Amino acid sequence: DAMVIQNPRYQVTQFGKPVTLSCSQTLNHNVMYWYQQKSSQAPKLLFHYYDKDFNNEADTPDNFQSRRPNTSFCFLDIRSPGLGDAAMYLCATSTYRGYEQYFGPGTRLTVT
Amino acid sequence: KNEVEQSPQNLTAQEGEFITINCSYSVGISALHWLQQHPGGGIVSLFMLSSGKKKHGRLIATINIQEKHSSLHITASHPRDSAVYICAAHYNTDKLIFGTGTRLQVFP
Repeated sequence: DAMVIQNPRYQVTQFGKPVTLSCSQTLNHNVMYWYQQKSSQAPKLLFHYYDKDFNNEADTPDNFQSRRPNTSFCFLDIRSPGLGDAAMYLCATSTYRGYEQYFGPGTRLTVT
Repeated sequence: KNEVEQSPQNLTAQEGEFITINCSYSVGISALHWLQQHPGGGIVSLFMLSSGKKKHGRLIATINIQEKHSSLHITASHPRDSAVYICAAHYNTDKLIFGTGTRLQVFP
């Protein structure tokens, strides 16, 4: 089945230790999104790629970076995680901007 | 300001009951999503609609463009329907604007 896959599902990292979250898709969608969702809050868009074109949200901290080496994969790098970065990180894809988004299962990040 | 408002915030029901969750939005959306999120889980897209009505199994979503209002209905509710239901709107940007979610608990 075509889908959006996120690995790992649970990630524990230490304060200040770089961490990378992974997203892959078999949908061949052009757009890939990264969201951060904290407890009982709505998802917050961090950035998205339209093909290779990177679009950063104005309020996304510099601590968060992303890479999209090919259509199928997109990575979220947190360079120096703080306690406030503990959250669920959701990857989503869509055919084009403004089209239906398909979400992955999320990676729950814990920072110790 | 582009906003999405949902009601109720919390909803409890007995198994078998008909459930309605409401969503209102500002003028100018291009499409509206209904999403489902189980506790501690990822998000599942239930519907995306820009007009009329869509049905999938026991779920029905409607949208009234003139009234800027959408509803999600669940018929014959079941405990496995317990989740947070989120309404999210595409305005004329690339971004989804999310509602605050409705937490549904269905008891046997």
